[in-house]
Amino acid sequence: AQTVTQSQPEMSVQEAETVTLSCTYDTSENNYYLFWYKQPPSRQMILVIRQEAYKQQNATENRFSVNFQKAAKSFSLKISDSQLGDTAMYFCAYLGGSEKLVFGKGTKLTVNP
Amino acid sequence: KAGVTQTPRYLIKTRGQQVTLSCSPISGHRSVSWYQQTPGQGLQFLFEYFSETQRNKGNFPGRFSGRQFSNSRSEMNVSTLELGDSALYLCASSLEAYFSFEQYFGPGTRLTVT
Repeated sequence: AQTVTQSQPEMSVQEAETVTLSCTYDTSENNYYLFWYKQPPSRQMILVIRQEAYKQQNATENRFSVNFQKAAKSFSLKISDSQLGDTAMYFCAYLGGSEKLVFGKGTKLTVNP
Repeated sequence: KAGVTQTPRYLIKTRGQQVTLSCSPISGHRSVSWYQQTPGQGLQFLFEYFSETQRNKGNFPGRFSGRQFSNSRSEMNVSTLELGDSALYLCASSLEAYFSFEQYFGPGTRLTVT
Protein backbone atom coordinates (compact mmCIF):
# COMPACT_ATOMS: atom_id res chain seq x y z
CA ALA A 1 0.00 0.00 0.00
CA GLN A 2 1.13 3.50 -0.72
CA THR A 3 2.29 5.67 2.15
CA VAL A 4 2.90 9.39 2.41
CA THR A 5 5.29 10.83 4.98
CA GLN A 6 5.52 14.43 6.10
CA SER A 7 8.48 14.61 8.45
CA GLN A 8 7.85 18.12 9.78
CA PRO A 9 4.85 18.17 12.17
CA GLU A 10 5.20 21.92 12.71
CA MET A 11 6.98 24.78 11.03
CA SER A 12 7.00 28.53 11.35
CA VAL A 13 8.11 31.30 9.04
CA GLN A 14 8.23 35.07 9.10
CA GLU A 15 5.90 36.99 6.88
CA ALA A 16 7.37 37.64 3.40
CA GLU A 17 9.94 34.87 3.75
CA THR A 18 10.09 31.55 1.90
CA VAL A 19 9.37 28.17 3.46
CA THR A 20 9.60 24.62 2.13
CA LEU A 21 7.43 21.75 3.36
CA SER A 22 8.70 18.22 2.79
CA CYS A 23 6.83 15.16 1.61
CA THR A 24 8.03 11.72 0.62
CA TYR A 25 5.94 8.82 -0.61
CA ASP A 26 6.32 5.16 -1.25
CA THR A 27 4.87 3.53 -4.36
CA SER A 28 5.64 1.00 -7.04
CA GLU A 29 3.30 2.63 -9.53
CA ASN A 30 4.52 4.69 -12.45
CA ASN A 31 1.43 6.78 -13.08
CA TYR A 32 -0.06 8.76 -10.24
CA TYR A 33 -0.96 12.23 -9.01
CA LEU A 34 0.41 14.18 -6.06
CA PHE A 35 -1.33 17.01 -4.28
CA TRP A 36 -0.82 19.60 -1.61
CA TYR A 37 -3.94 20.55 0.31
CA LYS A 38 -4.32 23.42 2.74
CA GLN A 39 -6.64 23.27 5.74
CA PRO A 40 -6.95 26.66 7.48
CA PRO A 41 -8.27 26.90 11.03
CA SER A 42 -11.81 27.23 9.59
CA ARG A 43 -11.36 23.59 8.48
CA GLN A 44 -12.35 23.83 4.81
CA MET A 45 -9.73 21.89 2.89
CA ILE A 46 -8.64 23.45 -0.39
CA LEU A 47 -6.34 22.25 -3.14
CA VAL A 48 -3.11 24.22 -3.38
CA ILE A 49 -1.30 22.50 -6.19
CA ARG A 50 -1.30 19.28 -8.19
CA GLN A 51 1.43 17.35 -10.00
CA GLU A 52 1.02 14.56 -12.52
CA ALA A 53 3.83 12.03 -12.20
CA TYR A 54 4.33 11.79 -15.96
CA LYS A 55 5.11 15.51 -16.18
CA GLN A 56 8.73 16.37 -15.55
CA GLN A 57 8.02 20.07 -15.18
CA ASN A 58 7.34 21.17 -11.63
CA ALA A 59 3.87 22.63 -11.04
CA THR A 60 3.52 26.26 -10.03
CA GLU A 61 0.54 28.25 -8.77
CA ASN A 62 1.36 31.88 -8.04
CA ARG A 63 3.45 31.85 -4.81
CA PHE A 64 3.27 28.08 -4.50
CA SER A 65 5.59 25.73 -6.35
CA VAL A 66 6.70 22.15 -5.96
CA ASN A 67 9.97 20.31 -6.31
CA PHE A 68 9.00 16.92 -7.69
CA GLN A 69 11.77 14.34 -7.67
CA LYS A 70 10.20 11.15 -9.04
CA ALA A 71 13.21 8.89 -8.58
CA ALA A 72 13.64 10.02 -5.01
CA LYS A 73 9.86 9.90 -4.43
CA SER A 74 9.94 13.37 -3.02
CA PHE A 75 7.37 16.13 -3.44
CA SER A 76 8.13 19.31 -1.51
CA LEU A 77 6.07 22.49 -1.46
CA LYS A 78 7.70 25.90 -1.55
CA ILE A 79 5.74 28.94 -0.43
CA SER A 80 7.29 32.22 -1.46
CA ASP A 81 6.54 35.62 0.09
CA SER A 82 4.63 33.96 2.96
CA GLN A 83 1.44 35.70 4.06
CA LEU A 84 -0.49 35.54 7.33
CA GLY A 85 -3.30 33.80 5.44
CA ASP A 86 -0.97 30.93 4.65
CA THR A 87 -1.21 29.81 8.28
CA ALA A 88 -2.82 26.37 8.09
CA MET A 89 -2.30 22.63 8.14
CA TYR A 90 -0.77 21.43 4.90
CA PHE A 91 -1.37 17.88 3.71
CA CYS A 92 0.51 16.05 1.03
CA ALA A 93 -1.59 13.44 -0.76
CA TYR A 94 -1.08 10.63 -3.28
CA LEU A 95 -3.59 9.29 -5.77
CA GLY A 96 -2.76 6.22 -7.80
CA GLY A 97 -4.44 3.28 -9.43
CA SER A 98 -6.58 2.49 -6.39
CA GLU A 99 -8.21 5.91 -6.86
CA LYS A 100 -8.17 6.46 -3.10
CA LEU A 101 -6.47 9.60 -1.85
CA VAL A 102 -3.73 8.75 0.66
CA PHE A 103 -2.77 11.63 2.93
CA GLY A 104 0.27 12.38 4.99
CA LYS A 105 -0.13 13.35 8.67
CA GLY A 106 0.20 17.02 7.84
CA THR A 107 2.47 19.94 8.66
CA LYS A 108 1.18 22.79 10.76
CA LEU A 109 2.54 26.01 9.30
CA THR A 110 2.43 29.26 11.23
CA VAL A 111 3.28 32.53 9.52
CA ASN A 112 4.43 35.13 12.03
CA PRO A 113 4.03 38.87 11.51
CA LYS B 1 -21.72 28.51 -7.56
CA ALA B 2 -22.38 27.17 -4.05
CA GLY B 3 -19.71 24.97 -2.52
CA VAL B 4 -20.00 21.59 -0.88
CA THR B 5 -22.30 21.69 2.11
CA GLN B 6 -22.43 19.29 5.00
CA THR B 7 -25.07 18.95 7.68
CA PRO B 8 -25.08 19.00 10.57
CA ARG B 9 -21.85 20.82 11.35
CA TYR B 10 -21.66 19.48 14.89
CA LEU B 11 -23.14 16.40 16.48
CA ILE B 12 -22.93 14.74 19.87
CA LYS B 13 -24.00 11.12 20.19
CA THR B 14 -23.82 8.42 22.80
CA ARG B 15 -21.94 5.17 22.39
CA GLY B 16 -24.14 2.54 20.78
CA GLN B 17 -26.32 5.00 18.89
CA GLN B 18 -26.30 5.49 15.15
CA VAL B 19 -25.79 8.66 13.16
CA THR B 20 -26.45 9.91 9.64
CA LEU B 21 -24.41 12.68 8.05
CA SER B 22 -25.39 14.50 4.88
CA CYS B 23 -23.38 15.98 2.03
CA SER B 24 -24.61 18.11 -0.86
CA PRO B 25 -22.05 18.34 -3.67
CA ILE B 26 -21.40 21.27 -5.94
CA SER B 27 -24.08 21.49 -8.61
CA GLY B 28 -23.16 19.28 -11.55
CA HIS B 29 -20.70 17.16 -9.61
CA ARG B 30 -21.48 13.46 -9.75
CA SER B 31 -18.84 12.00 -7.45
CA VAL B 32 -18.86 12.25 -3.67
CA SER B 33 -16.11 10.94 -1.42
CA TRP B 34 -16.04 10.72 2.36
CA TYR B 35 -13.05 10.98 4.68
CA GLN B 36 -12.51 10.61 8.41
CA GLN B 37 -10.06 12.94 10.11
CA THR B 38 -8.73 12.21 13.60
CA PRO B 39 -5.65 13.48 15.44
CA GLY B 40 -4.24 9.97 15.71
CA GLN B 41 -4.94 8.46 12.29
CA GLY B 42 -5.02 11.63 10.24
CA LEU B 43 -7.15 11.72 7.10
CA GLN B 44 -8.48 8.40 5.93
CA PHE B 45 -10.59 7.57 2.89
CA LEU B 46 -13.96 6.04 3.74
CA PHE B 47 -15.75 5.56 0.42
CA GLU B 48 -16.67 7.14 -2.90
CA TYR B 49 -20.02 7.23 -4.63
CA PHE B 50 -20.69 7.93 -8.28
CA SER B 51 -24.05 7.75 -10.02
CA GLU B 52 -25.66 6.23 -6.92
CA THR B 53 -23.10 3.40 -6.82
CA GLN B 54 -20.24 2.85 -4.40
CA ARG B 55 -17.12 2.87 -6.56
CA ASN B 56 -14.52 2.52 -3.91
CA LYS B 57 -14.20 1.73 -0.24
CA GLY B 58 -11.53 2.28 2.39
CA ASN B 59 -10.56 -0.01 5.25
CA PHE B 60 -13.39 0.66 7.66
CA PRO B 61 -15.74 -1.80 9.37
CA GLY B 62 -19.20 -2.50 8.03
CA ARG B 63 -20.67 -0.15 10.63
CA PHE B 64 -19.75 2.61 8.21
CA SER B 65 -22.03 2.79 5.20
CA GLY B 66 -23.25 5.32 2.74
CA ARG B 67 -25.45 5.99 -0.19
CA GLN B 68 -25.95 8.47 -2.96
CA PHE B 69 -29.20 9.78 -4.31
CA SER B 70 -30.19 10.59 -7.89
CA ASN B 71 -29.44 14.29 -7.27
CA SER B 72 -25.89 13.29 -6.21
CA ARG B 73 -26.48 14.19 -2.56
CA SER B 74 -24.87 11.63 -0.31
CA GLU B 75 -25.36 10.37 3.20
CA MET B 76 -23.10 8.32 5.39
CA ASN B 77 -24.28 6.29 8.31
CA VAL B 78 -22.39 4.95 11.29
CA SER B 79 -24.18 2.36 13.38
CA THR B 80 -23.36 1.23 16.92
CA LEU B 81 -21.15 4.21 17.58
CA GLU B 82 -17.87 3.73 19.42
CA LEU B 83 -15.79 6.33 21.23
CA GLY B 84 -13.15 5.99 18.51
CA ASP B 85 -15.62 7.21 15.90
CA SER B 86 -15.26 10.74 17.26
CA ALA B 87 -13.80 12.63 14.35
CA LEU B 88 -14.24 15.28 11.72
CA TYR B 89 -16.00 13.75 8.74
CA LEU B 90 -15.21 15.44 5.47
CA CYS B 91 -17.06 15.09 2.22
CA ALA B 92 -15.62 16.05 -1.16
CA SER B 93 -17.20 16.28 -4.57
CA SER B 94 -15.77 16.18 -8.07
CA LEU B 95 -17.18 16.39 -11.56
CA GLU B 96 -16.53 12.81 -12.48
CA ALA B 97 -15.22 9.70 -10.80
CA TYR B 98 -11.80 9.95 -12.38
CA PHE B 99 -8.73 11.14 -10.61
CA SER B 100 -7.95 13.79 -13.16
CA PHE B 101 -10.73 15.87 -11.70
CA GLU B 102 -10.18 18.08 -8.68
CA GLN B 103 -11.96 17.30 -5.44
CA TYR B 104 -13.70 20.11 -3.55
CA PHE B 105 -14.11 19.64 0.16
CA GLY B 106 -16.93 20.63 2.45
CA PRO B 107 -16.47 22.18 5.91
CA GLY B 108 -16.97 18.86 7.66
CA THR B 109 -19.19 17.46 10.40
CA ARG B 110 -17.62 17.26 13.84
CA LEU B 111 -18.94 14.10 15.53
CA THR B 112 -18.35 13.58 19.23
CA VAL B 113 -19.24 10.21 20.76
CA THR B 114 -19.60 10.13 24.55
